[in-house]
Amino acid sequence: AQSVTQPDIHITVSEGASLELRCNYSYGATPYLFWYVQSPGQGLQLLLKYFSGDTLVQGIKGFEAEFKRSQSSFNLRKPSVHWSDAAEYFCAVGFRSGGYNKLIFGAGTRLAVHP
Amino acid sequence: DGGITQSPKYLFRKEGQNVTLSCEQNLNHDAMYWYRQDPGQGLRLIYYSQIVNDFQKGDIAEGYSVSREKKESFPLTVTSAQKNPTAFYLCASSISRTEYSPLHFGNGTRLTVT
Repeated sequence: AQSVTQPDIHITVSEGASLELRCNYSYGATPYLFWYVQSPGQGLQLLLKYFSGDTLVQGIKGFEAEFKRSQSSFNLRKPSVHWSDAAEYFCAVGFRSGGYNKLIFGAGTRLAVHP
Repeated sequence: DGGITQSPKYLFRKEGQNVTLSCEQNLNHDAMYWYRQDPGQGLRLIYYSQIVNDFQKGDIAEGYSVSREKKESFPLTVTSAQKNPTAFYLCASSISRTEYSPLHFGNGTRLTVT
């Protein structure tokens, strides 16, 4: 069965430090991959997406993600974290099921940023 | 600006009462979705709709009902049959369910049932 795993429930980094949030998926073919960010009490905002082509994807707010087929991973990175990046981050995997697109979300990683 | 509007932001109900959450979009999207979010569990799909007057159950549809009488509107009713209704509910839309496109989310409704 298809699944998405975000191994880190909470991560704390210092402002200005680099960040990597992990995402692994289980799916037989190449999925469609997304990262979303959620501020407290808000909806989800799309950071970036991978459909095909270049495996390094640039997104908004200085984020990037790299699709590694051999590792079934789509890790999110940012070279220098800002205090405003504190939020919850969700990885999502899209795939075909019964002629329709289906989306599965990971459980999320909550990011805290120390000043 | 186009977007998704969910109302109200906070909703309180007594156990045994049905309650309806509103979701309106002006993005001209065909597909609309309802998700439930609980701490540590990510988002789980309740119902989705591909077109007007058509909707399908998601992974956790028991105790919920929806309607799609207009393209712009996809209200969710949480019935008294839902055993644990207290949660954060998110409405989303996408261009269609057959083309890959990202979901656009509303800002959610937090429902508390006591």
